Amino acid sequence: QKEVEQNSGPLSVPEGAIASLNCTYSDRVSQSFFWYRQYSGKSPELIMSIYSNGDKEDGRFTAQLNKASQYVSLLIRDSQPSDSATYLCAVMDSNYQLIWGAGTKLIIKP
Amino acid sequence: ETGVTQSPTHLIKTRGQQVTLRCSSQSGHNTVSWYQQALGQGPQFIFQYYREEENGRGNFPPRFSGLQFPNYSSELNVNALELDDSALYLCASSLSGSGNTIYFGEGSWLTVV
Repeated sequence: QKEVEQNSGPLSVPEGAIASLNCTYSDRVSQSFFWYRQYSGKSPELIMSIYSNGDKEDGRFTAQLNKASQYVSLLIRDSQPSDSATYLCAVMDSNYQLIWGAGTKLIIKP
Repeated sequence: ETGVTQSPTHLIKTRGQQVTLRCSSQSGHNTVSWYQQALGQGPQFIFQYYREEENGRGNFPPRFSGLQFPNYSSELNVNALELDDSALYLCASSLSGSGNTIYFGEGSWLTVV
């Protein structure tokens, strides 16, 4: 069974610090990886997509992918209170269907 | 704004009833998928439609069914509602076959009492 694992948290980070979110997946043939942010009561919002090993940066966000170790991470620099949300890791399988983790709740403390 | 719209946004149904949820996909997107997200969990894949045909299904019973129309809009139907069907139902659209990004609508909150 294809699985995506995340620490449920909550992860508490001081404002201005770096928040580090991690995700592991079981399906070795997966090629597309996504991080979504979800505020309470809202639908998931795409933050980053990554397809190749290494780092991908977009503003304060950096996604890191290591296919050999089957993990994906998301770094948030200069964390802001508005970054407080649940972060969902999603992996696309060979049928172009998303397999989701349960999400990590992130709390940024002012 | 993702260009994916869902209706209704909130609804309450009684156990045993039937419900239809609707989704208009982003312009040019020929694939629509539906997900169920229970409180505190990640979304679970229900099924996917490509050019009006179902081409993938998750671990959901047959009382969950769907349609995709020629304009690529879609419906999710759930018969014989159960209390555990209470969840956020998410519609997502994409352009098939390339692993392109999937865009979600705002979701439909279903409460079964």
